[in-house]
Amino acid sequence: EDQVTQSPEALRLQEGESSSLNCSYTVSGLRGLFWYRQDPGKGPEFLFTLYSAGEEKEKERLKATLTKKESFLHITAPKPEDSATYLCAVRTGANNLFFGTGTRLTVIP
Amino acid sequence: KAGVTQTPRYLIKTRGQQVTLSCSPISGHRSVSWYQQTPGQGLQFLFEYFSETQRNKGNFPGRFSGRQFSNSRSEMNVSTLELGDSALYLCASSLTAAALEAFFGQGTRLTVV
Repeated sequence: EDQVTQSPEALRLQEGESSSLNCSYTVSGLRGLFWYRQDPGKGPEFLFTLYSAGEEKEKERLKATLTKKESFLHITAPKPEDSATYLCAVRTGANNLFFGTGTRLTVIP
Repeated sequence: KAGVTQTPRYLIKTRGQQVTLSCSPISGHRSVSWYQQTPGQGLQFLFEYFSETQRNKGNFPGRFSGRQFSNSRSEMNVSTLELGDSALYLCASSLTAAALEAFFGQGTRLTVV
């Protein structure tokens, strides 16, 4: 059964305290893995696409990496404005899109 | 370039009523998917449309239906509303049915009382 699991559910960081969010997946035929950022009451905002193991993408303080079983979203020196829920999703070989339940990140000034 | 537009943004309905939500995808995008988001369940896939045809359907009761028009705009309908239908309904657009990335609208917050 296709499944996407994110951990931790919630993470509180001090401003400047780097950390990583995890997304592990079990799917049949990975076509792509996506990271989104979602602010309360708003739609998910697209961040990254990763296609194959070993791939990395960076954007400002965020860096996403992919292995054959999981992806990490590394946050370097976070700021309060990075507080949001980060969602991971995978596109399967059957073209279905499965989402994890997200990690709620809070960055404290 | 305009993003995905969902209307209305907020809606309050009474149990037993029906509701129609609208989604206009990014210009040029022909695939539209709908998701239900609740605090406990996360994003749950409802259905996907491409070229006016439903290509995929999630595990929701028949009270949930949708359609897509020739201009790629899509509507979602929920009949006989239940309290448990209260959620954020999100629409995502993709360039084609085989496209990987999906871009989301701001959602419609439906509250059933």
